[in-house]
Amino acid sequence: AIRMTQSPSSFSASTGDRVTITCRASQGISNYLAWYQQKPGKAPELLIYDASTLQPGVTSRFSGSGSGTDFALTISSLQSEDFGTYFCQQYYSYPFTFGPGTKVDIK
Amino acid sequence: DVQLVESGGGLVQPGGSLRLSCAASGFRFSGYWMNWVRQVPGKGLEWVANIKEDGGEKYYVDSVKGRFTISRDNAKNSVYLQMNSLGADDTAVYHCARGGSIVAVVSIDWGQGTLVTVSS
Repeated sequence: AIRMTQSPSSFSASTGDRVTITCRASQGISNYLAWYQQKPGKAPELLIYDASTLQPGVTSRFSGSGSGTDFALTISSLQSEDFGTYFCQQYYSYPFTFGPGTKVDIK
Repeated sequence: DVQLVESGGGLVQPGGSLRLSCAASGFRFSGYWMNWVRQVPGKGLEWVANIKEDGGEKYYVDSVKGRFTISRDNAKNSVYLQMNSLGADDTAVYHCARGGSIVAVVSIDWGQGTLVTVSS
């Protein structure tokens, strides 16, 4: 199975900050990568698929980049509602696998 | 609005079985892949299984192969997860999720989940 890693595992940032979360695959996955946001007690929500395509209805503060093994999720200007845990997921090959998550707190 | 409502979770003894159901509404169910994803409370996500629109293709994570079976009934707008030989490692919240229209296997919409606890 393809192993996904994320960094950092958690961090705190201030509103207005530009923040980047990285995700790495143990082997090349082309651009078959999705990003999800999960808030406590809620189901995950899809933000981005195909590494950089914004899911309709998701704010353009979020952007994704990368291909192959290295990917990034960037929030251009962090807002209070952006707290939560962010997961990447590869769907290049079965079994689909998620990264361990990055928890974002607002200072 | 898309709605996915899971049911069937509960407390089960090790070695036991459960059948989870997911009732879908608000979209043409027969036109989408469906996924099951589980999450140990407070931990990460694990993709468990998915099934093609017509049920003709099914895929599983290795840890559940031979024990879990995903199925669907398009006439009832429902997807199921039959879970046998349950162990403590299967304790989790189980979410069903709808695949996308552009990328069929990405989880576009999620249910709130049903908790499965395997314990004696």
